[in-house]
Amino acid sequence: DAGVIQSPRHEVTEMGQEVTLRCKPISGHDYLFWYRQTMMRGLELLIYFNNNVPIDDSGMPEDRFSAKMPNASFSTLKIQPSEPRDSAVYFCASSFTREGGYTFGSGTRLTVV
Amino acid sequence: KQEVTQIPAALSVPEGENLVLNCSFTDSAIYNLQWFRQDPGKGLTSLLLIQSSQREQTSGRLNASLDKSSGRSTLYIAASQPGDSATYLCAGATGANNLFFGTGTRLTVIP
Repeated sequence: DAGVIQSPRHEVTEMGQEVTLRCKPISGHDYLFWYRQTMMRGLELLIYFNNNVPIDDSGMPEDRFSAKMPNASFSTLKIQPSEPRDSAVYFCASSFTREGGYTFGSGTRLTVV
Repeated sequence: KQEVTQIPAALSVPEGENLVLNCSFTDSAIYNLQWFRQDPGKGLTSLLLIQSSQREQTSGRLNASLDKSSGRSTLYIAASQPGDSATYLCAGATGANNLFFGTGTRLTVIP
């Protein structure tokens, strides 16, 4: 298994631009999570899906953030418009069940200048 | 809301020493507790997963324990090596299937 695959690994964009982060979960995992990691706040859950349905998006910081999961093998996290304070590492993770533990992707390091 | 705390925030030990990392959580109704390792600029690597019905898990030189009643977990690393230097994060899974992460312990093993 290739694990959780995220793309791109690094993204540098100008303030105001749209940014789309992508994630392919492990096949068969019913849960998908988007996390953000910063030095100041550590790891924070942004949103998670169960069977492609968003369950809890209370961690999404603002309306500028949106996430979709059109099918079981793909999810996107979009920021529009991006701001410098969005600079962070964004992780995607998936799990089979709540008892199954989580597998994380390698993350996307986003820099907004 | 589950709160997870890790003490100490940073730890330096000489190579070969045994060490313990601590993790405490406020909500004892967790489904499982997971320990991760994160190297600088890298993603998270899962080390050990302890289900709520278990007391401990072992993998090589690592042993993790879970005491739900006291809200604590420990990660024991035996015979530490410089390659063990990394940040170690614990995370508890709650009923909402959400992982709450601790703040991490940055470990440095000195050759």
